[in-house]
Amino acid sequence: AAGVIQSPRHLIKEKRETATLKCYPIPRHDTVYWYQQGPGQDPQFLISFYEKMQSDKGSIPDRFSAQQFSDYHSELNMSSLELGDSALYFCASRRGGENYGYTFGSGTRLTVV
Amino acid sequence: AQTVTQSQPEMSVQEAETVTLSCTYDTSENNYYLFWYKQPPSRQMILVIRQEAYKQQNATENRFSVNFQKAAKSFSLKISDSQLGDTAMYFCAFTLGVTSGTYKYIFGTGTRLKVLA
Repeated sequence: AAGVIQSPRHLIKEKRETATLKCYPIPRHDTVYWYQQGPGQDPQFLISFYEKMQSDKGSIPDRFSAQQFSDYHSELNMSSLELGDSALYFCASRRGGENYGYTFGSGTRLTVV
Repeated sequence: AQTVTQSQPEMSVQEAETVTLSCTYDTSENNYYLFWYKQPPSRQMILVIRQEAYKQQNATENRFSVNFQKAAKSFSLKISDSQLGDTAMYFCAFTLGVTSGTYKYIFGTGTRLKVLA
C-alpha cells in the first residue's frame, strides 16, 4: 500500500541557510501534519493543513513556513537555520473526518552545522 | 490543556514474557482518542493500537492490548509474548475527536523498551 513519502531523507545545512522539506501524503488523504522531534525528545506539533488551508499551528518558529498544494503535497520551508533546528521532521497524513490515526512518513533528518 | 505522562523512561523484558507500559493523561474533554506508537531504531513511527474514549471495551491487536481506565485517565499497553523486534521507543499519544479541532497529537515523553534474548 502507498505510504507517506518524505524527501529528502537526510539533509545537512549550514547555519543561516534555507531548507525545504517535502511531504507527499497517501492518495485521498486531504490532511497533512508536520512534527519536529529533537534528539531524545517526543514529537512536537508544528502545523497542519486540511484541503490546502492551514488548520492549526503549534510551536512553529516564525522562520518556518509551510503550505499544502493543489495535489495535497506539502512543503515545510525553513530559513535562517539555527543549530537548534537539527531534528527529525515528520510528516503525517490522514483523511479528514476519519479517526483511525495518522500514517507517518519516514521523516527527514535535518542536521545544521 | 491536555497533557500526557509516561513515567517509565526505560524498561526491559525477557523474550516471550509480558510487559506493561504506563500512560496517564489529563483532559476535561469527553470525546478523545488514545494511541500507542512504536518507534524502532529506524525512527519510523508505527501505529500499534488505538482506543476511542467512548468505547469501554479495551482495544486489542494480536499480542498488544490496552487497559483503558477512563475515570482514572490511564491508558497502559500490555505486550504479550515479547519478541526481539518489539525493542523500540513507545509513545503514548492523545488527540481530541475531529469535531473538536484539527486532531493534532500530544505525545508523552516515551518509554524505551528493550527485549532481552
